[in-house]
Amino acid sequence: GENVEQHPSTLSVQEGDSAVIKCTYSDSASNYFPWYKQELGKRPQLIIDIRSNVGEKKDQRIAVTLNKTAKHFSLHITETQPEDSAVYFCAASYGAGSYQLTFGKGTKLSVIP
Amino acid sequence: DGGITQSPKYLFRKEGQNVTLSCEQNLNHDAMYWYRQDPGQGLRLIYYSQIVNDFQKGDIAEGYSVSREKKESFPLTVTSAQKNPTAFYLCASSNSGGTTDTQYFGPGTRLTVL
Repeated sequence: GENVEQHPSTLSVQEGDSAVIKCTYSDSASNYFPWYKQELGKRPQLIIDIRSNVGEKKDQRIAVTLNKTAKHFSLHITETQPEDSAVYFCAASYGAGSYQLTFGKGTKLSVIP
Repeated sequence: DGGITQSPKYLFRKEGQNVTLSCEQNLNHDAMYWYRQDPGQGLRLIYYSQIVNDFQKGDIAEGYSVSREKKESFPLTVTSAQKNPTAFYLCASSNSGGTTDTQYFGPGTRLTVL
């Protein structure tokens, strides 16, 4: 089955700096890679996603890059703000055409004012 | 994701009891999922259903059961066979138009076994 590794498990940055979270996946047939943000006690919410037919996608301060050859993808947050503090999860689809997602174990991001 | 509701928000159970967690969605999504979340473990798939009256086991289905009698409802029963049921349970739904689509999550149910 699919295996998703996420690093780092915790990340602290100064407000205004950039944050990068990296994930690797094992199944070369995976074609969908979402990122979720989860605040304490709340539901995960999709912040950005990318499909395997593109290498990069941006949405304001958030971007995701995908390297299919190396089987890794990354979340980039620029100009971090205290409200960006949360746990971030990456996920990969369970092979081509599957509805299942396999999630990484999460990264706790703390933005220090 | 406001179209997915879970109840109750908090649930306490005595050992040996079965409990059922509710999940309802009004997004007209075909696919629904149940995940378990433990600290430092991410989200692990318990069961999923792509269509009414059909469902498949996920990675950690032992000790759980589900039903999918209606498109909008996907209840999860935590049975007494589940060895360590204390966790945060999340329900999700998505379209199933032949490709992996965005999963939207409910607010979750926190189950505590006393």
